[in-house]
Amino acid sequence: QVTLKESGPGILQPSQTLSLTCSFSGFSLSTYGMCVGWIRQSSGKGLEWLANIWWNDDKYYNPSLKNRLTISKDTSNNQAFLKITNMDTADTATYYCARSPPFNYGSFDYWGQGVMVSVSS
Amino acid sequence: DVVLTQTPPTLSATIGQSVSISCRSSQSLLDSDGDTYLNWLLQRPGQSPQLLIYSVSNLESGVPNRFSGSGSETDFTLKISGVEAEDLGVYYCMQATHAPYTFGPGTKLELK
Repeated sequence: QVTLKESGPGILQPSQTLSLTCSFSGFSLSTYGMCVGWIRQSSGKGLEWLANIWWNDDKYYNPSLKNRLTISKDTSNNQAFLKITNMDTADTATYYCARSPPFNYGSFDYWGQGVMVSVSS
Repeated sequence: DVVLTQTPPTLSATIGQSVSISCRSSQSLLDSDGDTYLNWLLQRPGQSPQLLIYSVSNLESGVPNRFSGSGSETDFTLKISGVEAEDLGVYYCMQATHAPYTFGPGTKLELK
């Protein structure tokens, strides 16, 4: 059974760095073709893809936030991470991690429950 | 970035009615590898998005076959043949042919 669960600080102040963890089970990020992505959802901008990390450590970032994003993984502990620097009120959103399986490129077949992140002074 | 436009923004249906949602892309979603990476997702109230259809017309495992997808290049359609109460929520199309991946604004399906 595949599950993913996001965790994070909940509330941040502007200019701080957001650190998110995606803990998953039921699959391995060392499997050929496997990928984990991060997507966020805000009331203002809908669903926005942020970044992907693949089994071979390839990383793709959304150029609109590229300089602020860092995605990484810990394959041994079945975790993926996302850091966003210089957080702003516009980054207030629910952040999801999701699995992209090797046989269905570009689709996210399992999603976490999401973690709400609020940026406020 | 690829812009996906969904119509209608809101859809009112009765149980058992068949409905369609359109997704139009600002660029062709046909990839150089011959595949078209256009997916459909449903987000029920208070839940995470759920994959329904991948690569235009492939039904995700466990999704009822009343859902079907069609289309090519820039025009795509999701059809629900006989709406059921559990189908209510917001439907999104999403493309993964061109980086960055992008999502449509959503179509809200509600009961009439």
